[in-house]
Amino acid sequence: EAGVAQSPRYKIIEKRQSVAFWCNPISGHATLYWYQQILGQGPKLLIQFQNNGVVDDSQLPKDRFSAERLKGVDSTLKIQPAKLEDSAVYLCASRKDRGITYEQYFGPGTRLTVT
Amino acid sequence: TQLLEQSPQFLSIQEGENLTVYCNSSSVFSSLQWYRQEPGEGPVLLVTVVTGGEVKKLKRLTFQFGDARKDSSLHITAAQPGDTGLYLCAGVRGSGYALNFGKGTSLLVTP
Repeated sequence: EAGVAQSPRYKIIEKRQSVAFWCNPISGHATLYWYQQILGQGPKLLIQFQNNGVVDDSQLPKDRFSAERLKGVDSTLKIQPAKLEDSAVYLCASRKDRGITYEQYFGPGTRLTVT
Repeated sequence: TQLLEQSPQFLSIQEGENLTVYCNSSSVFSSLQWYRQEPGEGPVLLVTVVTGGEVKKLKRLTFQFGDARKDSSLHITAAQPGDTGLYLCAGVRGSGYALNFGKGTSLLVTP
């Protein structure tokens, strides 16, 4: 079974530019999460989707961050305009919803550097 | 936001030593998970603990969930260089099973 795929793996941009990250979850996983992991910290949830609907986006900085999962499969996270403090690893995770299962499967992440 | 405090933040030990990592919160979680993350990779689930007082063993790793479901510990016996990595505890919250992560414990095991 293929894991969670993310691209690109690395991205360097200047502040005020825009950037987009892509995630393809494990096939059949209805729930998809985007996390931000700043160096030296644990991941922080940005947004959670159930199929193509948003379940929780309370910690998403909506003035500059946006995310979509139009067909309930892959997802895109966008930052516009980027700030220096957005430098982090952006992790995508997915979870199967059948039964009571807590395990989230994480992708390798996209490392963003804003200069 | 329910905060999870992990200690120690960094740990450097020699192969064969034992160690314990702690995860504490003022909040009660329905369950708690431990993940291990290697450089350039996403976290990988090690264990989920659900019941207060629960103890789970995974080879040389022993996980315990506090009776009040506010704290947890991870004990590694006879650490090996392959145990090197970032250990993260995460509290499961809400019906969507989103995770609140601690800052992690960075473990280095030298031969």
